[in-house]
Amino acid sequence: GDSVTQKEGLVTLTEGLPVMLNCTYQTIYSNAFLFWYVHYLNESPRLLLKSSTDNKRTEHQGFHATLHKSSSSFHLQKSSAQLSDSALYYCALSDKYYGNEKITFGAGTKLTIKP
Amino acid sequence: GGIITQTPKFLIGQEGQKLTLKCQQNFNHDTMYWYRQDSGKGLRLIYYSITENDLQKGDLSEGYDASREKKSSFSLTVTSAQKNEMAVFLCASSIRGEEQYFGPGTRLTVL
Repeated sequence: GDSVTQKEGLVTLTEGLPVMLNCTYQTIYSNAFLFWYVHYLNESPRLLLKSSTDNKRTEHQGFHATLHKSSSSFHLQKSSAQLSDSALYYCALSDKYYGNEKITFGAGTKLTIKP
Repeated sequence: GGIITQTPKFLIGQEGQKLTLKCQQNFNHDTMYWYRQDSGKGLRLIYYSITENDLQKGDLSEGYDASREKKSSFSLTVTSAQKNEMAVFLCASSIRGEEQYFGPGTRLTVL
């Protein structure tokens, strides 16, 4: 079955430094959709980025990610961390195969930004 | 826009008790999901439903039942609450395989 791996469970950074959260995935289907969700404390998880296009950079709210099907990766990056970026980040995979509408989530990375 | 509501917000139960969590969405989405969130374990899928009266088991379905009697609602039952269990249950909905919209969650504590 599908799987998503987020290597880092906890990431702590100083404000202003670059952010990179790793995400790799496995699926047998070629039409994979990859998502990054962000979950702030006391809020509901919400979509941050999504992509299904190989080698195309996707950006939103200062974050960006590029889907690389050759390496099955969809790493989340930001050039300069802000205190407000502290949250739980989930990478997720959907293969959109009709009848299989399950989305597979990674274990999540808790990002903490310190002054 | 739309909204997902979950009731109750906090649920305290006794060991062995059957507990029901409810979720309503007004997005008119076909697919609805129930996830369990434990610290350090991410979001684990319990059940999902692709249409009214459909049920699909997720990775964590043992110990749970679900019901989708209407397109807009999806309920989850903990069949026998486990002592000292603590978790957040999140409901979500989506159009097939697309972005999921999440509810605010139900926080379960079992005494």
